[in-house]
Amino acid sequence: NAGVTQTPKFQVLKTGQSMTLQCAQDMNHNSMYWYRQDPGMGLRLIYYSASEGTTDKGEVPNGYNVSRLNKREFSLRLESAAPSQTSVYFCASSEAPEAFFGQGTRLTVV
Amino acid sequence: AQSVAQPEDQVKVAEGNPLTVKCTYSVSGNPYLFWYVQYPNRGLQFLLKYITGDNLVKGSYGFEAEFNKSQTSFHLKKPSALVSDSALYFCAVRGLMDSSYKLIFGSGTRLLVRP
Repeated sequence: NAGVTQTPKFQVLKTGQSMTLQCAQDMNHNSMYWYRQDPGMGLRLIYYSASEGTTDKGEVPNGYNVSRLNKREFSLRLESAAPSQTSVYFCASSEAPEAFFGQGTRLTVV
Repeated sequence: AQSVAQPEDQVKVAEGNPLTVKCTYSVSGNPYLFWYVQYPNRGLQFLLKYITGDNLVKGSYGFEAEFNKSQTSFHLKKPSALVSDSALYFCAVRGLMDSSYKLIFGSGTRLLVRP
């Protein structure tokens, strides 16, 4: 049972490049989330999807888009990467009450 | 709006001593409360949760947490710390009536257990 799987694990982008972070869960959860983790700031919610077919903005959505492709998959897209988006990105899923997290994607924008 | 405060960036204890990592929260209505642990270069692992019932909840690896509604606190505790407990700890809250189930996290507390 893999839980929540994120790809890639590491990525370096140049400013202005685009990329999509992939996330898949095999727990049949309805809700999925994208967080970013920055030193001293904890985890901040970027976007979430309460159920298949719905997405909503979290605390820090600017510069990102998401797609809930199906119940299993929830992707995060950076259309034009900026150095401020250098961070560790975590995907999570939940049926309630606790959430389960992937191993993270370490993204560096140079 | 929901929020979580972890007032200590770092907590240092000696192995074998009790430890406490502090957390206070703000949420409309009754809360769901959680503690997660993060080891270096890893994702977050669920430790324990408070939903309802007893104010003292027990979780993984000998950790427990005490819910105090009047002080809006949910402090993480362990009677005897291990060096292997050294990690980053996050407190999180969700409103009971929040149907999106999204968690709001504190800024994290780094626990360092000295041999």
